[in-house]
Amino acid sequence: EPEVTQTPSHQVTQMGQEVILRCVPISNHLYFYWYRQILGQKVEFLVSFYNNEISEKSEIFDDQFSVERPDGSNFTLKIRSTKLEDSAMYFCASSVDGPQVGEKLFFGSGTQLSVL
Amino acid sequence: AQTVTQSQPEMSVQEAETVTLSCTYDTSENNYYLFWYKQPPSRQMILVIRQEAYKQQNATENRFSVNFQKAAKSFSLKISDSQLGDTAMYFCALNYGGATNKLIFGTGTLLAVQP
Repeated sequence: EPEVTQTPSHQVTQMGQEVILRCVPISNHLYFYWYRQILGQKVEFLVSFYNNEISEKSEIFDDQFSVERPDGSNFTLKIRSTKLEDSAMYFCASSVDGPQVGEKLFFGSGTQLSVL
Repeated sequence: AQTVTQSQPEMSVQEAETVTLSCTYDTSENNYYLFWYKQPPSRQMILVIRQEAYKQQNATENRFSVNFQKAAKSFSLKISDSQLGDTAMYFCALNYGGATNKLIFGTGTLLAVQP
């Protein structure tokens, strides 16, 4: 079965530094997402991306966050100036259609971001 | 507000036995979707089963089935003939339809299948 690929699996950074988390969604998918899970807490929606633009974002996704699909295959999440509270597992996902019609999301294995 | 609650942080079951994981949710929408995702030690989230709110019939996928009680806003997952490979974190999730395509997740239930 095709997979969503995320790199790196673990990223350590200093507070205030910029990080870019990378994802390669499944090739024929049209919807792309980022979710995050702080240790011991719920998996939380960050942003969805469709037709080369953000279709929805949560209150977590403030000006420090941005997403991009630079080359038609990669989907990136950038955090401009990391904070300690950004430490979390970040999951990328993609789907053919959206879950509002019951569509299944395919998730990557996550990037564990540690901000020191 | 749309919420999903999983009240069992951890559960254990013997191999070949049946186990039921609980999930309750709250939404004011009439048309929505409910999902169970599994997260094994590999950390990849995998869809186990999904249910459309307007369908009365409970969804079934091989050894996995749900008990969907719409009036009670309950969506439990039953795993029959549990296997060691079922050991994972299980997340219940809700999409409340309309223009939103985000999933709202519960806190998860860690299931351990014992040999």
